[in-house]
Amino acid sequence: DTAVSQTPKYLVTQMGNDKSIKCEQNLGHDTMYWYKQDSKKFLKIMFSYNNKELIINETVPNRFSPKSPDKAHLNLHINSLELGDSAVYFCASSHARTRDNEQFFGPGTRLTVL
Amino acid sequence: GDSVTQMEGPVTLSEEAFLTINCTYTATGYPSLFWYVQYPGEGLQLLLKATKADDKGSNKGFEATYRKETTSFHLEKGSVQVSDSAVYFCALTPGGGSNYKLTFGKGTLLTVNP
Repeated sequence: DTAVSQTPKYLVTQMGNDKSIKCEQNLGHDTMYWYKQDSKKFLKIMFSYNNKELIINETVPNRFSPKSPDKAHLNLHINSLELGDSAVYFCASSHARTRDNEQFFGPGTRLTVL
Repeated sequence: GDSVTQMEGPVTLSEEAFLTINCTYTATGYPSLFWYVQYPGEGLQLLLKATKADDKGSNKGFEATYRKETTSFHLEKGSVQVSDSAVYFCALTPGGGSNYKLTFGKGTLLTVNP
């Protein structure tokens, strides 16, 4: 019944490693997003995909690479992890073409880089 | 670009007190406006929304009115409960066809004491 799911929920890793976070939605939406929430709770969009096409890339370092194998999935791969990458990462989805563009969020992945 | 400014927290209230969290925005055209809530350890949930001027969004006793003349969307509740303790985010999406990007305010932490 979960609408937007993310795995893993927690991720602890060393600097320099490469890691991936997976996201899946079963709402039939055509647009998916990745947001980063820092330690002060500030939320900022990173990427957005519509029908598997990248439409927003908000000046995110190219160590971050999103991949959308189909409309229901949007994964985030991070190379050469840095201390500053520690944050909570949220996946979201929506029907982009609706006027109100309500977004549904996953539970978040807390990434800690040591 | 679009931006959202909401009152700095944290806000601490006693149960049954009146709540106001101020939110103002800067956007071109006619954005849609939202309040999202994040309970401890969880992802964001849509609380309420308004898509045009003078619309009032309401849910769970919370209300906010889209005021175009003052570019505001203040959140109010007449009598808060301990279970309302959470972080509240004001947000907008641009009006029109490019309806993809959700811009958030910095969030306001509300703590309600019994």
